[in-house]
Amino acid sequence: DVKVTQSSRYLVKRTGEKVFLECVQDMDHENMFWYRQDPGLGLRLIYFSYDVKMKEKGDIPEGYSVSREKKERFSLILESASTNQTSMYLCASSFGTGGRIGYGYTFGSGTRLTVV
Amino acid sequence: DAKTTQPNSMESNEEEPVHLPCNHSTISGTDYIHWYRQLPSQGPEYVIHGLTSNVNNRMASLAIAEDRKSSTLILHRATLRDAAVYYCILRTLSGGSNYKLTFGKGTLLTVNP
Repeated sequence: DVKVTQSSRYLVKRTGEKVFLECVQDMDHENMFWYRQDPGLGLRLIYFSYDVKMKEKGDIPEGYSVSREKKERFSLILESASTNQTSMYLCASSFGTGGRIGYGYTFGSGTRLTVV
Repeated sequence: DAKTTQPNSMESNEEEPVHLPCNHSTISGTDYIHWYRQLPSQGPEYVIHGLTSNVNNRMASLAIAEDRKSSTLILHRATLRDAAVYYCILRTLSGGSNYKLTFGKGTLLTVNP
């Protein structure tokens, strides 16, 4: 069964800590995405990557950075965690374009991050 | 980005059909209409997508208006396991040939036994 795996289901960090959220996919997908989900606000795109070492800002990139050194792995980095970054973080992946537009996105189960 | 409008919530009875509407009046010619659903405590899962023609798969059917400004996701016989938030999303072009999904708030579907 194809998978997007997020390293932690629950995470508690202190304000000011550097936080790494890891995501790995085993489908050889070109595209990978990070979203956050908050009550009343739905899913919002933070960053996405369409190739190794490539990244593009989503709708709410402030306070975050990303790293994609290998095709299967996409990391979200909170340089200095703050309480307003407490949220559910969801990783997703998909094939790129060029004839494979028909494929949907596969999401991980999410990481619930609490910053105290 | 082109946006979608969905009702906040809908209710259905088990084993009855459900029609979930979505308006996307600013859709462009290259936008695909995608539907995802999110079960409690899980990430969203892909349901179906289409461009112009109606589509069917094992999960649902997608009916797209002729002017493409609206669409309807059809669950032919709702089950309790179909209770979820359903998102209607336009897959929009972003930078070259790369696509992204922009989620709205979705429709919370409640299925009554």
